[in-house]
Amino acid sequence: EIVLTQSPATLSLSPGERATLSCRASQSVGIYLAWYQQKPGQAPRLLIYDASNRATGIPARFSGSGSGTDFTLTISSLEPEDFAVYYCQRAGLTFGGGTKVEIK
Amino acid sequence: QVQLVESGGGVVQPGRSLRLSCAASGFTFSSYAMHWVRQAPGKGLEWVAVIPYDGGRKYNADSVKGRFTISRDNSKNTLYLQMNSLRADDTAVYYCARDPRGHCSSTNCYWAYMDVWGNGTTVTVSS
Repeated sequence: EIVLTQSPATLSLSPGERATLSCRASQSVGIYLAWYQQKPGQAPRLLIYDASNRATGIPARFSGSGSGTDFTLTISSLEPEDFAVYYCQRAGLTFGGGTKVEIK
Repeated sequence: QVQLVESGGGVVQPGRSLRLSCAASGFTFSSYAMHWVRQAPGKGLEWVAVIPYDGGRKYNADSVKGRFTISRDNSKNTLYLQMNSLRADDTAVYYCARDPRGHCSSTNCYWAYMDVWGNGTTVTVSS
């Protein structure tokens, strides 16, 4: 079973700062990795699919990179609405444990 | 607009059964693979089950294998999750989600990601 490990568990940043979130797979998943954003009391929202493709309506400040076992979600300049929990997922199945981006 | 609406959640005693439904609208339901995902209180997301567009090969997470069954009725644009032998650790919000690229070939199935999500239905297993 492929395990996804996200780091850090919590990221404390200020609006306007750059956020870099990591997702590491226990074995290669190719490019088949997605990123989701979840705010309290809401369903998850797809941000990135196939490692680097932004979903419809997702702002350009969100970008994804990586392949194989190491992936990164970058938020270039945090907006107030970006403070949330972020999950990676491989090939429509296993999720990582999540990274909470909180206001510093 | 494209929408998924879950229903059927509630409070149920351990060992009992519950069936969740997910009503789809705004897209051709019969063309898409569908998933169930759950989230226990204060925890992360856990993938539960997937079914291809034609209801053929289905897959479950090990944590629910033998207890939960995913199914669909394309004539009713509805996805289901039959949950039997419920346990306290099944307590969660259950989401249905659409997979825009999931499919099965003659030998393998390939799942992609989840581009549309419902708002979830809450299941509480407690005596």
